[in-house]
Amino acid sequence: EADIYQTPRYLVIGTGKKITLECSQTMGHDKMYWYQQDPGMELHLIHYSYGVNSTEKGDLSSESTVSRIRTEHFPLTLESARPSHTSQYLCASSERDRDTGELFFGEGSRLTVL
Amino acid sequence: GQNIDQPTEMTATEGAIVQINCTYQTSGFNGLFWYQQHAGEAPTFLSYNVLDGLEEKGRFSSFLSRSKGYSYLLLKELQMKDSASYLCAVLDSNYQLIWGAGTKLIIKP
Repeated sequence: EADIYQTPRYLVIGTGKKITLECSQTMGHDKMYWYQQDPGMELHLIHYSYGVNSTEKGDLSSESTVSRIRTEHFPLTLESARPSHTSQYLCASSERDRDTGELFFGEGSRLTVL
Repeated sequence: GQNIDQPTEMTATEGAIVQINCTYQTSGFNGLFWYQQHAGEAPTFLSYNVLDGLEEKGRFSSFLSRSKGYSYLLLKELQMKDSASYLCAVLDSNYQLIWGAGTKLIIKP
């Protein structure tokens, strides 16, 4: 069973607030990812990392930032939340030396911006 | 552009067999994945195909034809717990996953 954790699971916040979604994994995986998913829609890649001090932008990265100071930790920050950020955010990890793409997902953080 | 197509929704009967199709157009191909996602939960890995043919894993099988840009997921002996969305994803030439929107499978008694 995968050991990847996200907090908070649910968050309701006002417009303009700064928020950080936490993601931690205990599997020692080098690759980590943040995805955004709306109901019935495909996953959109926000940011990803190949390892410590590595961060790359995905398709939806312009309004958020990430950091990778430790292997196990990959937080996502929205500097100024907007109603358009209302969505589910999924963190995932995979082994770097296997480019097979098998991802292990956290249970998600469902964000509502009022 | 890159594109993955799969039906939005399918309905099947408990105990029956269902086939969920996926067609793709991507820049390069390094494998195709199927994930299962129950409502409100995270996706979980089901299968990976990189060579043409059928991969069988218990009640689930996945087929790939690279020349046709086509895959299907076959679910046998359907159970109520199989009600979920099934996501098709392709690993492109940059080893990035391109995701379909998923097929919502409804199982009826």
